[in-house]
Amino acid sequence: DAKTTQPNSMESNEEEPVHLPCNHSTISGTDYIHWYRQLPSQGPEYVIHGLTSNVNNRMASLAIAEDRKSSTLILHRATLRDAAVYYCILRGLTGGGNKLTFGTGTQLKVEL
Amino acid sequence: GAGVSQTPSNKVTEKGKYVELRCDPISGHTALYWYRQSLGQGPEFLIYFQGTGAADDSGLPNDRFFAVRPEGSVSTLKIQRTERGDSAVYLCASSRYGGGEQFFGPGTRLTVL
Repeated sequence: DAKTTQPNSMESNEEEPVHLPCNHSTISGTDYIHWYRQLPSQGPEYVIHGLTSNVNNRMASLAIAEDRKSSTLILHRATLRDAAVYYCILRGLTGGGNKLTFGTGTQLKVEL
Repeated sequence: GAGVSQTPSNKVTEKGKYVELRCDPISGHTALYWYRQSLGQGPEFLIYFQGTGAADDSGLPNDRFFAVRPEGSVSTLKIQRTERGDSAVYLCASSRYGGGEQFFGPGTRLTVL
């Protein structure tokens, strides 16, 4: 599986935008970029995913670089509830594409 | 609707004992996954079921670990001769189909003394 690289931790103030980066220089053409997050003492939850084009949903936006070697998860207005570990995951269409391969993620801290 | 549920929420056992962990997926989800998570680490894949069959068990660490899903719904993860290194949070997830968005349960925290 292609690997992703994320900063160990980031901090933000409440109601400010947050940009969480992810590098995936060995991504293959059929790998989708998925983001999950894990709140304290809970299982992970799906946030967003994309292939080539930028994506928006009610939780966040995903900006994908033109060469697809990096992506950024954007939380438009962070709240205290967004404090979690955010995982950037590459997921292929074949072979082991059904499982999620988690790294250590980025611990996001949100302060008042 | 109800999400993925896991029982028990906590399990404490002694080294060498046998344990069973249960997962109730979201109704109608054909795919079910087991992961385990050690402190400070991301979840680690164990096994994936499509229906009743194990489609990918490449993550099971050794033959002490076994999982079943006899009717294509509830799944049980079984660990024989538990070791202290098995202590972790065991997470179950389900999805409508293989490769779909995964919905996770709250996990079972297993402690082996």
